[in-house]
Amino acid sequence: NAGVMQNPRHLVRRRGQEARLRCSPMKGHSHVYWYRQLPEEGLKFMVYLQKENIIDESGMPKERFSAEFPKEGPSILRIQQVVRGDSAAYFCASSPKAETQYFGPGTRLLVL
Amino acid sequence: DAKTTQPPSMDCAEGRAANLPCNHSTISGNEYVYWYRQIHSQGPQYIIHGLKNNETNEMASLIITEDRKSSTLILPHATLRDTAVYYCIVRPDTGANSKLTFGKGITLSVRP
Repeated sequence: NAGVMQNPRHLVRRRGQEARLRCSPMKGHSHVYWYRQLPEEGLKFMVYLQKENIIDESGMPKERFSAEFPKEGPSILRIQQVVRGDSAAYFCASSPKAETQYFGPGTRLLVL
Repeated sequence: DAKTTQPPSMDCAEGRAANLPCNHSTISGNEYVYWYRQIHSQGPQYIIHGLKNNETNEMASLIITEDRKSSTLILPHATLRDTAVYYCIVRPDTGANSKLTFGKGITLSVRP
């Protein structure tokens, strides 16, 4: 059983561009969580989704950030008009029933 | 805010047991104790979790005090590859409030 997959592993964007981060959960997992780790800081929860539904978005910045988990395909974290402060590692985790979460390797976003 | 407190760091000799403490004095009856670790800047790795009883798996043992206000993660034979930041987290096992709240964790350094 393949683990959580994230792509791209590294992403470079210029200020003002859009960043799209993808997360494919483990097989059989219908719950996805996104976390962000800013440089030299801890992991912070962003959003929790089930198929086609956002369950908890209490950690998402109010502007420029959005997430989806469609019926088919990976979960997408979208950041519009990126700024340098968005540079961070973004981790996705999945679980079968809001139970133990298993993390992917992360996407390192660098905004120039 | 994290509901757990951990010492900032500790070290142990390779081959010896590493005992990592965690205080969670405000834990609720339906909250589990989870342990994750993050090696360098990789994705967090699930280690073990428990509710009341002590638990053991191929990676570690988890000892929870009878009053559930503290716990200890035991790595029975630490290796250099166990050098990482270890996070102790409390959370309900299911439901909408199933996000993980990471604190600063404890940095374990295994010395040769």
